[in-house]
Amino acid sequence: DIVMTQSPDSLAVSLGERATINCKSSQSVLYSSNNKNYLAWYQQKPGQPPKLLIYWASTRESGVPDRFSGSGSGTDFTLTISSLQAEDVAVYYCQQYYSTPPGYTFGQGTKLEIK
Amino acid sequence: EVQLVESGGGLVKPGGSLRLSCAASGFTFSSYSMNWVRQAPGKGLEWVSSISSSSSYIYYADSVKGRFTISRDNAKNSLYLQMNSLRAEDTAVYYCARVGVTMIVEGYFDYWGQGTLVTVSS
Repeated sequence: DIVMTQSPDSLAVSLGERATINCKSSQSVLYSSNNKNYLAWYQQKPGQPPKLLIYWASTRESGVPDRFSGSGSGTDFTLTISSLQAEDVAVYYCQQYYSTPPGYTFGQGTKLEIK
Repeated sequence: EVQLVESGGGLVKPGGSLRLSCAASGFTFSSYSMNWVRQAPGKGLEWVSSISSSSSYIYYADSVKGRFTISRDNAKNSLYLQMNSLRAEDTAVYYCARVGVTMIVEGYFDYWGQGTLVTVSS
């Protein structure tokens, strides 16, 4: 199984500042035939289901504010929130969907708070 | 509007069984692979099972293989999870989630239901 490891486990950032969350996979999730990274990011607020933010490592889901961006390739990925807003307080998860047959795995989550 | 609504959760004794349902609306259900994902109280997300659009491909996490059975009824726009031989460690909120690309099995999850809580306890 592909193991996804996020860092840090928790993060406190001031309003308006940049927040960066890292995700590392135990093997590459880059599919060479289409040059796509099979990596997604989700946001989960308390009492709510996860919400898709980013897929293919860097494609923003429709309706997601452009302060959210994803980057990286192969085994190392980053979710960046360029200017933290109060409503961004949540737990963020990365997920690989590369495994065939599907054995989707999620990172352990990063809890983002306001400093 | 895409909607996924889970039901069927509840309290069950260890060794018992439960059947979860997920009612889908707002999209062509028969064109999408579907999944169950669970979240134990205060813990992270764990993928449980996947089923392709026509039920041709079915996959399970090792933690539930042999005990859980995923199925779907495209005529009823419904996804199911039959859970047998339940254990305390199966206690979690169970979400159904749609794969965000039609006609493939592997993909990101673009829509999630609100979840249904399963508690396994004597």
